[in-house]
Amino acid sequence: EVQLVESGGGLVKPGGSLRLSCAASGFTFSIYSMNWVRQAPGKGLEWVSSITSTSSYIYYADSVKGRFTISRDNAKNSLYLQMNSLRAEDTAVYYCARLGATGDTFDIWGQGTMVTVSS
Amino acid sequence: QSVLTQPPSVSGAPGQRVTISCTGSSSNIGAGYDVHWYQQLPGTAPKLLIYANSNRPSGVPDRFSGSKSGTSASLAITGLQTEDEADYYCQSYDSSLSGWVFGGGTRLTVL
Repeated sequence: EVQLVESGGGLVKPGGSLRLSCAASGFTFSIYSMNWVRQAPGKGLEWVSSITSTSSYIYYADSVKGRFTISRDNAKNSLYLQMNSLRAEDTAVYYCARLGATGDTFDIWGQGTMVTVSS
Repeated sequence: QSVLTQPPSVSGAPGQRVTISCTGSSSNIGAGYDVHWYQQLPGTAPKLLIYANSNRPSGVPDRFSGSKSGTSASLAITGLQTEDEADYYCQSYDSSLSGWVFGGGTRLTVL
């Protein structure tokens, strides 16, 4: 079964850091670009970051550029998101999503992990 | 203030047909980038519903269809069922932002 499982969410104070992980299974992780997409409580979806299969190209939304770092370990079938200088507006469910074969659609999603930034 | 504009809500009775619009601009849909649609049932992760404007992934009923024209796209749902109650999001790529963009989402209520 194709699956993505996120972990690492929790409660953190403004200015703090958190590292999210996403474990992939059921497909050849190393050939797909991977992404993080977030959803603030009661709000819509927002693309956060993308990393190509060999980590050659990395992209960020302007809202997180300079604070978040995406990375992957193909040997461990894992995707990561290091989040620093967290703000209240970063509070959201963070989803790990696979970029499908067409290169521009998110065809597989994880169940999400909640990040709450509050004092 | 999403880059792609969707109506906040639509509704219909069981068996009826509804459409959800998604309006973009010359840097995303109008630039030729494909539009994709996702269904998010309450309390769950989004699920790919339509890809590349009008294609259904395996397992998606043919009651769901998509189209694209100019700077806009539409999702149509025929034969509405109560289990179709969900939030629907359109998505494309934006060359000005150099990133993927979503619509604000549309909540479908089946009366």
